[in-house]
Amino acid sequence: GAGVSQSPRYKVAKRGRDVALRCDSISGHVTLYWYRQTLGQGSEVLTYSQSDAQRDKSGRPSGRFSAERPERSVSTLKIQRTEQGDSAVYLCASSPRTGMVYEQYFGPGTRLTVT
Amino acid sequence: AQSVTQLDSHVSVSEGTPVLLRCNYSSSYSPSLFWYVQHPNKGLQLLLKYTSAATLVKGINGFEAEFKKSETSFHLTKPSAHMSDAAEYFCVVSEYGNKLVFGAGTILRVKS
Repeated sequence: GAGVSQSPRYKVAKRGRDVALRCDSISGHVTLYWYRQTLGQGSEVLTYSQSDAQRDKSGRPSGRFSAERPERSVSTLKIQRTEQGDSAVYLCASSPRTGMVYEQYFGPGTRLTVT
Repeated sequence: AQSVTQLDSHVSVSEGTPVLLRCNYSSSYSPSLFWYVQHPNKGLQLLLKYTSAATLVKGINGFEAEFKKSETSFHLTKPSAHMSDAAEYFCVVSEYGNKLVFGAGTILRVKS
């Protein structure tokens, strides 16, 4: 069946601009996660949402990152006032259950380059 | 606080020889541990996971990992490498709650 998809796959943004990254998860999955993957530094969770919650459950301290869930199987990661340090691969993952111990299904990622 | 250290950023083996990818973790509580694999231009795929059941965990594609609490290790092994195993591997730890912590990754190269 269809897996997790993300769009766009590549995004170039000028510093200071806002960007929005889309994730289409697997139908029926309840929890959506956003991760940032940086070369040589691993991945860190940015935010996640459970069930029908439209807003993210945890955000990065800077507050520039937020996730919305306009539909149950769609999540949008918004990055405000992008900085060059935001250049990374952003991964979306969904899980059929709540809690990190359950398997997460990852999308292919969106590579963001901030110039 | 949780953390994960993958001891080798690159590992190179010959096809047919054993694979060992090392991972050490730190966690305040009993963690759940995972290994994910990422092939070029593909998403992360779960290889196996440990969640306080048997300490020797078998995964897909012939991989397995052993949880050793005394050594705080969760090394990934495979008896015989295949060319298709060439990819980047991530060791991941999670305590209860909703947060995964990824290691920096190990790139596995398989020589013919």
